[in-house]
Amino acid sequence: DTGVSQDPRHKITKRGQNVTFRCDPISEHNRLYWYRQTLGQGPEFLTYFQNEAQLEKSRLLSDRFSAERPKGSFSTLEIQRTEQGDSAMYLCASSIGLASGANVLTFGAGSRLTVL
Amino acid sequence: EDKVVQSPLSLVVHEGDTVTLNCSYEVTNFRSLLWYKQEKKAPTFLFMLTSSGIEKKSGRLSSILDKKELFSILNITATQTGDSAIYLCAVELNFGNEKLTFGTGTRLTIIP
Repeated sequence: DTGVSQDPRHKITKRGQNVTFRCDPISEHNRLYWYRQTLGQGPEFLTYFQNEAQLEKSRLLSDRFSAERPKGSFSTLEIQRTEQGDSAMYLCASSIGLASGANVLTFGAGSRLTVL
Repeated sequence: EDKVVQSPLSLVVHEGDTVTLNCSYEVTNFRSLLWYKQEKKAPTFLFMLTSSGIEKKSGRLSSILDKKELFSILNITATQTGDSAIYLCAVELNFGNEKLTFGTGTRLTIIP
């Protein structure tokens, strides 16, 4: 499978616990994005990487959220001290990131988080 | 603040009908507008539009952009039950802001 892979697909946790999601992008893509989607809403931007550099973080990304892409390949998104409001689908996407534009994102199937 | 607004929020039609989905935007430094289809999982790419008045077409789906009036439409003709999905519109800005800003989506339901 050469698409964007996310793991786990579903995570149920108790409030206050930490969770970590992993994303493996398409191998030749140098940009990687994290989005959050709640029911009835479109995806909301959280953060993105160009190779291993984190270039932008949304103000939605509180200090409980941290994302890394240590070797410019896979990425992790960690949420510490989860709250019920963190329940959402966390989508990862990647793109080639051409300087000329045409920044079409390819999405993974998402990791659904439920905080009890 | 950049805004992408889609309408209607939901639409129910019978198989064979034609539908038009709308997307308007208010952003600075517009580069392109993209349409995605989301069924139960990952959004999948449909079209990217960068120039006004040039229709993009793929089978029964087509889309066009109006950069003067700041909107795009997505048309689906002869709808089928497999077209049932959420259709997302997103806008990409110019260099230095290379993320997509999405609308809330239009939920399309096709009744057999």
